[in-house]
Amino acid sequence: EAGVAQSPRYKIIEKRQSVAFWCNPISGHATLYWYQQILGQGPKLLIQFQNNGVVDDSQLPKDRFSAERLKGVDSTLKIQPAKLEDSAVYLCASSLRTPENIQYFGAGTRLSVL
Amino acid sequence: TQLLEQSPQFLSIQEGENLTVYCNSSSVFSSLQWYRQEPGEGPVLLVTVVTGGEVKKLKRLTFQFGDARKDSSLHITAAQPGDTGLYLCAGSGPPGNQFYFGTGTSLTVIP
Repeated sequence: EAGVAQSPRYKIIEKRQSVAFWCNPISGHATLYWYQQILGQGPKLLIQFQNNGVVDDSQLPKDRFSAERLKGVDSTLKIQPAKLEDSAVYLCASSLRTPENIQYFGAGTRLSVL
Repeated sequence: TQLLEQSPQFLSIQEGENLTVYCNSSSVFSSLQWYRQEPGEGPVLLVTVVTGGEVKKLKRLTFQFGDARKDSSLHITAAQPGDTGLYLCAGSGPPGNQFYFGTGTSLTVIP
């Protein structure tokens, strides 16, 4: 079974530029998550989708971050414009809708904002 | 503020030693999960504990969920270099049953 795919693996941009990350979840997983992980910290949930609907985006900085999952499969996360403090690893995860809520993570995209 | 606080934040030990990592909260969680994350990779689920007082063993790893379901611990016996990584507890908590990760414990096992 293929895992969660993310691209790109690395991205370096200057502040005020825009950037987009892509995630392809495990086939059949209805729930998709985007996390931000700053170096040395635990991941912070940015947004959670159930199929193509948003379940939780309470920690998403909506003035600069946006995410979509139009067909209920792939998802993109965008930052516009980027700030220095956005430098982090952006992780995507997916899960089946089960009580155990086991999340499977991609390898992440490491973003450096200069 | 962090809903799930882990301690210690960093731990460096010699191969063969034992260690315990703690995950504490002032809130009650219906379940807690433990993950391990290696550099350049996403977290991988190790175990889920759901019942207060529950103890689960995974080879040399022992996980315990507190009776009040507010805290958990991970004990590793005879640590090996392959245990090196970032250990994260996680669970769904208030408000709104949102999913949170703990602050993380970075473990280094020296051969």
